[in-house]
Amino acid sequence: GAGVSQSPSNKVTEKGKDVELRCDPISGHTALYWYRQSLGQGLEFLIYFQGNSAPDKSGLPSDRFSAERTGGSVSTLTIQRTQQEDSAVYLCASSLYRVGGNSPLHFGNGTRLTVT
Amino acid sequence: GQQVMQIPQYQHVQEGEDFTTYCNSSTTLSNIQWYKQRPGGHPVFLIQLVKSGEVKKQKRLTFQFGEAKKNSSLHITATQTTDVGTYFCAPYSGGYQKVTFGTGTKLQVIP
Repeated sequence: GAGVSQSPSNKVTEKGKDVELRCDPISGHTALYWYRQSLGQGLEFLIYFQGNSAPDKSGLPSDRFSAERTGGSVSTLTIQRTQQEDSAVYLCASSLYRVGGNSPLHFGNGTRLTVT
Repeated sequence: GQQVMQIPQYQHVQEGEDFTTYCNSSTTLSNIQWYKQRPGGHPVFLIQLVKSGEVKKQKRLTFQFGEAKKNSSLHITATQTTDVGTYFCAPYSGGYQKVTFGTGTKLQVIP
């Protein structure tokens, strides 16, 4: 079946512009994550959606970052007034959450964001 | 929350040598997952450990979960160039807790 789909795969934007990154999770997966990975670095948690619960936004680095998940499926990560330090690969992952446990995360190929 | 440390941060080995990475948590975990990220790729799930003292093997890879469920290790026997990449642990505390990743260990295999 189809995996996690992210678009665009690459985005180059000028400093100060807003960008929207899209994630289509695997159908039926109730959990959705956004992570950020700077060049050669680890996976920085940004935000977590689980079903109809309020999202865990504790990883968003500033109020310029926001995310939505519509209808429990597609998610959009928005970065306003982009800065050069926002340049990174933004990874989306989904999982079939099981009560009392967790299940493997399936990652998309990521969106490489370059802020000039 | 504090990011879980993995050691070492980097490891260069000659092809055929063994490799081990360790993941250490200060709190008791519900389970732990391991992922591999090839250069230029995205993380791919390898395995999940749930039980105290659990040991699982996948060909040349051996995964262990500590008795106290606070630490875990990944051991690769006789490394190959295909093992190159960064290995991340993902400790999970249970319930609706989010999944975060360890700091990762980058493995380079010298042919």
